[in-house]
Amino acid sequence: EPEVTQTPSHQVTQMGQEVILRCVPISNHLYFYWYRQILGQKVEFLVSFYNNEISEKSEIFDDQFSVERPDGSNFTLKIRSTKLEDSAMYFCASSEGIGTAGRRVYEQYFGPGTRLTVT
Amino acid sequence: ELKVEQNPLFLSMQEGKNYTIYCNYSTTSDRLYWYRQDPGKSLESLFVLLSNGAVKQEGRLMASLDTKARLSTLHITAAVHDLSATYFCAVVSGAGSYQLTFGKGTKLSVIP
Repeated sequence: EPEVTQTPSHQVTQMGQEVILRCVPISNHLYFYWYRQILGQKVEFLVSFYNNEISEKSEIFDDQFSVERPDGSNFTLKIRSTKLEDSAMYFCASSEGIGTAGRRVYEQYFGPGTRLTVT
Repeated sequence: ELKVEQNPLFLSMQEGKNYTIYCNYSTTSDRLYWYRQDPGKSLESLFVLLSNGAVKQEGRLMASLDTKARLSTLHITAAVHDLSATYFCAVVSGAGSYQLTFGKGTKLSVIP
């Protein structure tokens, strides 16, 4: 069964460093997302991406964050200058958007996550 | 601002018993999602509810949606230990949106 994959599974970085988290969404999906979950807390939306541009973003997604689809398969989240409070599990998700016979398919499938630790 | 509230936040129940988790949300929405998360793992999609009165069932779990009351329920029938996990509901922010706003989650422990 197709699934969303993410690399690395765990990333440790020093405050102020740049990190890039990578995701490979499910191949026929059109919508891509990043969420984060601080340990023990709820999942928070960061950004959604469709047709090579950001379609929605939250207040968390400030100028330190950027997303890119550099090729036909990868979807990346870059944090330019990491802060301690960026430590969290980052989940990539994707959804089909338009299913068979033009029917919209809304289900969002989540990847296994990247645990980011900022020291 | 869309708020999603789940209750209870913690639930300990015996195997074989039934229970219901509630999810209330503050503004009109046309899609509601239920996810399961095991410790240290990702989120597994359980249900997507798209319309008022929608009911979906998978095994011992049944989810329903009342858009007028802005309420969804996740009913657990004859719980088994394997259902122990954290269950999240999530709601989209508005028509045409794909942004999910999550509740805090309900940590379910099923005791033999």
